[in-house]
Amino acid sequence: AQTVTQSQPEMSVQEAETVTLSCTYDTSESDYYLFWYKQPPSRQMILVIRQEAYKQQNATENRFSVNFQKAAKSFSLKISDSQLGDAAMYFCAYRSVEGAQKLVFGQGTRLTINP
Amino acid sequence: DTGVSQDPRHKITKRGQNVTFRCDPISEHNRLYWYRQTLGQGPEFLTYFQNEAQLEKSRLLSDRFSAERPKGSFSTLEIQRTEQGDSAMYLCASRSNPGQNYGYTFGSGTRLTVV
Repeated sequence: AQTVTQSQPEMSVQEAETVTLSCTYDTSESDYYLFWYKQPPSRQMILVIRQEAYKQQNATENRFSVNFQKAAKSFSLKISDSQLGDAAMYFCAYRSVEGAQKLVFGQGTRLTINP
Repeated sequence: DTGVSQDPRHKITKRGQNVTFRCDPISEHNRLYWYRQTLGQGPEFLTYFQNEAQLEKSRLLSDRFSAERPKGSFSTLEIQRTEQGDSAMYLCASRSNPGQNYGYTFGSGTRLTVV
């Protein structure tokens, strides 16, 4: 079974600065997808960015980018120019390409933005 | 469709009572998932439907839990003889068939409190 580990329960960053959230995972599969989701307080889970394991190029979405290291099974999220609206719980998630294709989530990292 | 709808948003029940939650997915999404999220943790997979067929259930889904998706549209999750340990956020998510390699659309969840 796949597992996802986020070792940083909480992180904080000054507004306009850059922060990196860590995620490691364990799998025996060679093809899969990885995601970062954002969950603001009392609001729904929102997709931030996704990465296909077969792609070597790291995904980017505006101020959000990932560092995908397949051999190390590492998938970190970098948020540049942090904004107050980025404050939320961030979850790293893994998805197989076969079967139910359910998401396996990490424990989450609570990100605080300091003005 | 504006997204995935879940009803009710909040439910407080006494231990031993039965509760039922409803999820209305995006209409063209044939895959529907239920997750449970306890405070400070990442969501955990409960069960998965493709159309009206329930294709996978987690071991977390005890005999007191039952889920249905009649006609492949909305889904219900029932918990019988609730226990305090059932207190959690119950999330529903949907997505379309394989070929769309995106994540999921999540609902806002139903927060269950068992007193």
